[in-house]
Amino acid sequence: AQSVTQPDIHITVSEGASLELRCNYSYGATPYLFWYVQSPGQGLQLLLKYFSGDTLVQGIKGFEAEFKRSQSSFNLRKPSVHWSDAAEYFCAFMNTGFQKLVFGTGTRLLVSP
Amino acid sequence: DAGVIQSPRHEVTEMGQEVTLRCKPISGHNSLFWYRQTMMRGLELLIYFNNNVPIDDSGMPEDRFSAKMPNASFSTLKIQPSEPRDSAVYFCASSSSDRRDGYTFGSGTRLTVV
Repeated sequence: AQSVTQPDIHITVSEGASLELRCNYSYGATPYLFWYVQSPGQGLQLLLKYFSGDTLVQGIKGFEAEFKRSQSSFNLRKPSVHWSDAAEYFCAFMNTGFQKLVFGTGTRLLVSP
Repeated sequence: DAGVIQSPRHEVTEMGQEVTLRCKPISGHNSLFWYRQTMMRGLELLIYFNNNVPIDDSGMPEDRFSAKMPNASFSTLKIQPSEPRDSAVYFCASSSSDRRDGYTFGSGTRLTVV
């Protein structure tokens, strides 16, 4: 089945520390992959996306993600976390037929002082 | 562009009442999606439209739910009659014909059915 998995429900990171959020996908070909962020009471905002080319993609707010075909992963990273990054992060998958976007269950990021 | 606009932001209604949620997509976007978000089930796609035509409504939970898109700039999601288990945040999103651009989401409608 085509799906995306976020194994971590919650992650706590100290402000200024580095961050990596995990995302794994299940699909026979290279999918289109996205990371979205949802702040409390808000809609989802697109951070970055990947569908071909350079496997390291840069996004907004200092985030980046690396596509690793061998590991079926698309992990989100940030070198130094700010308190304002506390939010829920969703990895999402779209098959190459450009059908619907399927979301993972999300990872809630908490930032400690 | 003002983005995807949803109304109302919050809705509290009594069980059995009809509820109508509204969405105005981004001008020029030809696909529109309705999602429901709950703690238990996460983000679920309910239905999506291409060029105002419903393409996939397999996520609509029951016949109590219906969605329309009478024109390119307006869509509604209706629940009749509403039940407490329908309480959730309902998001509308739109995208251009190139879905690889991703979706743009509205701020959502928080529905509470008491």
